[in-house]
Amino acid sequence: SSELTQDPAVSVALGQTVRITCQGDSLRRYYASWYQQKPGQAPALVIYGKNNRPSGIPDRFSGSSSGNTASLTITGAQAEDEADYYCNSRDSSGNQLLFGGGTKLTVL
Amino acid sequence: EVHLVESGGGLVQPGGSLRLSCAASGFTFNTYEMNWVRQAPGKGLEWVSYISSSGSTIYYADSVKGRFTISRDNAKNSLYLQMNSLRAEDTAVYYCARRGWEPDVWGKGTTVTVSS
Repeated sequence: SSELTQDPAVSVALGQTVRITCQGDSLRRYYASWYQQKPGQAPALVIYGKNNRPSGIPDRFSGSSSGNTASLTITGAQAEDEADYYCNSRDSSGNQLLFGGGTKLTVL
Repeated sequence: EVHLVESGGGLVQPGGSLRLSCAASGFTFNTYEMNWVRQAPGKGLEWVSYISSSGSTIYYADSVKGRFTISRDNAKNSLYLQMNSLRAEDTAVYYCARRGWEPDVWGKGTTVTVSS
Protein backbone atom coordinates (compact mmCIF):
# COMPACT_ATOMS: atom_id res chain seq x y z
CA SER A 1 0.00 0.00 0.00
CA SER A 2 1.21 3.50 -0.74
CA GLU A 3 -1.10 5.43 1.56
CA LEU A 4 -1.03 6.89 5.04
CA THR A 5 -4.40 7.05 6.80
CA GLN A 6 -5.35 9.57 9.50
CA ASP A 7 -8.61 10.31 11.27
CA PRO A 8 -10.04 13.52 9.77
CA ALA A 9 -10.80 15.17 13.10
CA VAL A 10 -9.99 14.77 16.79
CA SER A 11 -10.90 16.90 19.79
CA VAL A 12 -9.35 17.24 23.24
CA ALA A 13 -10.21 19.18 26.36
CA LEU A 14 -7.75 21.87 27.38
CA GLY A 15 -4.94 20.35 29.44
CA GLN A 16 -5.79 16.76 28.57
CA THR A 17 -3.82 14.24 26.52
CA VAL A 18 -4.61 13.42 22.90
CA ARG A 19 -3.19 10.86 20.50
CA ILE A 20 -3.29 11.32 16.73
CA THR A 21 -2.63 8.20 14.69
CA CYS A 22 -1.32 7.41 11.22
CA GLN A 23 -1.57 3.99 9.58
CA GLY A 24 0.25 2.59 6.58
CA ASP A 25 2.32 -0.34 5.41
CA SER A 26 5.40 1.86 4.89
CA LEU A 27 5.44 2.57 8.64
CA ARG A 28 6.63 -0.98 9.23
CA ARG A 29 9.88 0.06 7.54
CA TYR A 30 10.18 3.84 8.01
CA TYR A 31 9.55 6.21 10.87
CA ALA A 32 6.84 8.82 10.49
CA SER A 33 7.42 12.52 10.80
CA TRP A 34 4.70 14.85 12.06
CA TYR A 35 3.82 18.37 10.97
CA GLN A 36 1.61 21.04 12.50
CA GLN A 37 -0.10 23.48 10.17
CA LYS A 38 -2.08 26.48 11.33
CA PRO A 39 -4.38 28.42 8.96
CA GLY A 40 -2.48 30.47 6.40
CA GLN A 41 0.89 29.12 7.51
CA ALA A 42 3.40 26.64 6.15
CA PRO A 43 3.69 23.26 7.86
CA ALA A 44 6.09 23.05 10.80
CA LEU A 45 7.94 19.87 11.77
CA VAL A 46 7.13 18.77 15.32
CA ILE A 47 8.40 15.17 15.48
CA TYR A 48 10.85 13.18 13.35
CA GLY A 49 12.70 9.90 13.56
CA LYS A 50 12.04 7.58 16.47
CA ASN A 51 10.90 10.43 18.73
CA ASN A 52 12.87 13.62 18.08
CA ARG A 53 11.70 17.20 18.47
CA PRO A 54 13.23 20.08 16.51
CA SER A 55 14.53 22.97 18.53
CA GLY A 56 11.69 25.08 19.89
CA ILE A 57 9.03 22.37 19.92
CA PRO A 58 7.58 21.89 23.42
CA ASP A 59 8.21 18.57 25.13
CA ARG A 60 4.46 17.96 25.40
CA PHE A 61 4.76 16.66 21.83
CA SER A 62 6.01 13.08 21.49
CA GLY A 63 5.98 10.33 18.89
CA SER A 64 5.78 6.56 18.95
CA SER A 65 5.32 3.67 16.56
CA SER A 66 4.06 0.09 16.63
CA GLY A 67 3.67 -2.13 13.60
CA ASN A 68 1.97 -0.18 10.84
CA THR A 69 0.80 2.64 13.12
CA ALA A 70 2.58 5.82 14.15
CA SER A 71 1.23 8.11 16.83
CA LEU A 72 1.67 11.73 17.83
CA THR A 73 0.81 12.39 21.46
CA ILE A 74 0.21 15.82 22.96
CA THR A 75 0.34 15.63 26.76
CA GLY A 76 -1.48 18.58 28.28
CA ALA A 77 -2.91 20.13 25.11
CA GLN A 78 -2.89 23.92 24.92
CA ALA A 79 -5.16 26.24 22.98
CA GLU A 80 -2.28 27.06 20.61
CA ASP A 81 -2.05 23.39 19.64
CA GLU A 82 -5.30 23.65 17.70
CA ALA A 83 -4.20 23.00 14.11
CA ASP A 84 -4.06 20.44 11.32
CA TYR A 85 -1.55 17.65 11.84
CA TYR A 86 -0.01 15.62 9.03
CA CYS A 87 2.12 12.50 9.19
CA ASN A 88 4.59 11.55 6.49
CA SER A 89 7.07 8.84 5.60
CA ARG A 90 8.81 7.33 2.63
CA ASP A 91 6.69 4.85 0.71
CA SER A 92 7.59 1.17 0.75
CA SER A 93 9.70 1.50 -2.41
CA GLY A 94 11.75 4.21 -0.71
CA ASN A 95 11.58 6.68 -3.59
CA GLN A 96 8.39 8.59 -2.90
CA LEU A 97 7.28 10.70 0.02
CA LEU A 98 3.83 10.08 1.41
CA PHE A 99 1.61 12.37 3.44
CA GLY A 100 -1.42 11.38 5.45
CA GLY A 101 -4.67 13.16 4.76
CA GLY A 102 -4.36 15.25 7.90
CA THR A 103 -6.13 15.42 11.26
CA LYS A 104 -7.86 18.59 12.40
CA LEU A 105 -7.29 18.96 16.15
CA THR A 106 -9.79 20.99 18.12
CA VAL A 107 -8.92 22.03 21.69
CA LEU A 108 -12.12 22.47 23.68
CA GLU B 1 18.70 32.08 10.21
CA VAL B 2 17.53 29.45 7.77
CA HIS B 3 15.21 30.77 5.05
CA LEU B 4 13.49 29.36 1.98
CA VAL B 5 11.65 31.81 -0.27
CA GLU B 6 9.55 30.58 -3.19
CA SER B 7 8.65 32.70 -6.20
CA GLY B 8 7.29 32.36 -9.71
CA GLY B 9 3.69 31.46 -9.01
CA GLY B 10 0.77 33.05 -10.79
CA LEU B 11 -2.25 32.55 -13.00
CA VAL B 12 -1.73 30.37 -16.06
CA GLN B 13 -4.08 28.84 -18.60
CA PRO B 14 -4.53 25.07 -18.88
CA GLY B 15 -1.73 23.64 -20.98
CA GLY B 16 0.60 26.46 -20.06
CA SER B 17 3.93 26.52 -18.26
CA LEU B 18 5.47 28.10 -15.17
CA ARG B 19 8.87 27.94 -13.53
CA LEU B 20 9.00 28.12 -9.75
CA SER B 21 12.13 29.12 -7.87
CA CYS B 22 13.18 28.65 -4.26
CA ALA B 23 15.99 30.80 -2.85
CA ALA B 24 17.80 29.27 0.12
CA SER B 25 19.83 31.09 2.74
CA GLY B 26 21.29 30.52 6.19
CA PHE B 27 22.56 26.98 5.59
CA THR B 28 24.91 25.01 3.34
CA PHE B 29 22.48 24.40 0.50
CA ASN B 30 24.66 21.95 -1.43
CA THR B 31 24.60 19.44 1.44
CA TYR B 32 20.83 19.11 1.62
CA GLU B 33 18.28 17.11 -0.33
CA MET B 34 15.25 19.20 -1.28
CA ASN B 35 11.58 18.69 -2.09
CA TRP B 36 8.63 20.42 -3.62
CA VAL B 37 5.32 19.83 -1.83
CA ARG B 38 1.97 21.31 -2.81
CA GLN B 39 -1.38 21.94 -1.17
CA ALA B 40 -4.56 22.45 -3.17
CA PRO B 41 -7.10 24.90 -1.70
CA GLY B 42 -8.71 23.37 1.38
CA LYS B 43 -6.86 20.08 0.88
CA GLY B 44 -3.95 18.23 2.44
CA LEU B 45 -0.27 18.13 1.60
CA GLU B 46 0.90 16.34 -1.54
CA TRP B 47 4.53 15.58 -2.27
CA VAL B 48 5.59 16.60 -5.79
CA SER B 49 9.30 15.93 -6.28
CA TYR B 50 12.64 15.20 -4.59
CA ILE B 51 16.19 16.02 -5.61
CA SER B 52 19.40 14.86 -3.95
CA SER B 53 22.06 17.29 -2.77
CA SER B 54 24.11 16.91 -5.94
CA GLY B 55 21.10 16.73 -8.24
CA SER B 56 22.03 13.24 -9.42
CA THR B 57 18.95 11.52 -7.97
CA ILE B 58 15.44 12.75 -8.73
CA TYR B 59 12.00 11.37 -7.98
CA TYR B 60 8.51 12.53 -8.95
CA ALA B 61 4.98 11.84 -7.84
CA ASP B 62 3.03 9.90 -10.46
CA SER B 63 0.62 12.85 -10.82
CA VAL B 64 3.36 15.11 -12.26
CA LYS B 65 5.77 12.67 -13.88
CA GLY B 66 6.55 13.66 -17.45
CA ARG B 67 5.19 17.19 -16.98
CA PHE B 68 7.29 18.67 -14.15
CA THR B 69 11.08 18.90 -13.89
CA ILE B 70 12.96 19.58 -10.67
CA SER B 71 16.46 21.02 -10.75
CA ARG B 72 18.90 22.94 -8.60
CA ASP B 73 21.83 25.33 -8.93
CA ASN B 74 24.06 24.88 -5.91
CA ALA B 75 26.22 27.84 -6.94
CA LYS B 76 23.13 30.06 -6.67
CA ASN B 77 21.61 28.31 -3.62
CA SER B 78 18.46 27.80 -5.63
CA LEU B 79 15.90 25.09 -6.31
CA TYR B 80 13.58 25.09 -9.32
CA LEU B 81 10.42 23.42 -10.57
CA GLN B 82 9.62 23.66 -14.27
CA MET B 83 5.92 22.91 -14.73
CA ASN B 84 4.59 22.17 -18.22
CA SER B 85 1.20 21.04 -19.54
CA LEU B 86 -0.48 22.47 -16.48
CA ARG B 87 -3.94 21.28 -15.49
CA ALA B 88 -6.65 22.69 -13.27
CA GLU B 89 -5.78 20.07 -10.67
CA ASP B 90 -2.26 21.51 -10.37
CA THR B 91 -3.78 24.60 -8.71
CA ALA B 92 -2.14 24.78 -5.28
CA VAL B 93 0.30 26.50 -2.99
CA TYR B 94 3.74 25.11 -3.80
CA TYR B 95 6.26 24.83 -0.97
CA CYS B 96 9.94 24.05 -1.16
CA ALA B 97 11.17 22.06 1.81
CA ARG B 98 14.64 21.18 3.04
CA ARG B 99 15.96 17.72 3.95
CA GLY B 100 14.77 14.87 1.80
CA TRP B 101 12.65 12.37 3.65
CA GLU B 102 11.88 14.35 6.82
CA PRO B 103 11.53 17.93 5.59
CA ASP B 104 12.47 20.21 8.48
CA VAL B 105 12.31 23.73 7.03
CA TRP B 106 9.61 24.99 4.68
CA GLY B 107 9.16 28.18 2.75
CA LYS B 108 5.95 30.20 2.92
CA GLY B 109 4.89 28.94 -0.50
CA THR B 110 3.94 30.41 -3.85
CA THR B 111 0.46 30.11 -5.33
CA VAL B 112 -0.17 28.58 -8.73
CA THR B 113 -3.63 28.94 -10.27
CA VAL B 114 -4.44 27.08 -13.47
CA SER B 115 -7.60 28.49 -15.02
CA SER B 116 -8.92 29.85 -18.27
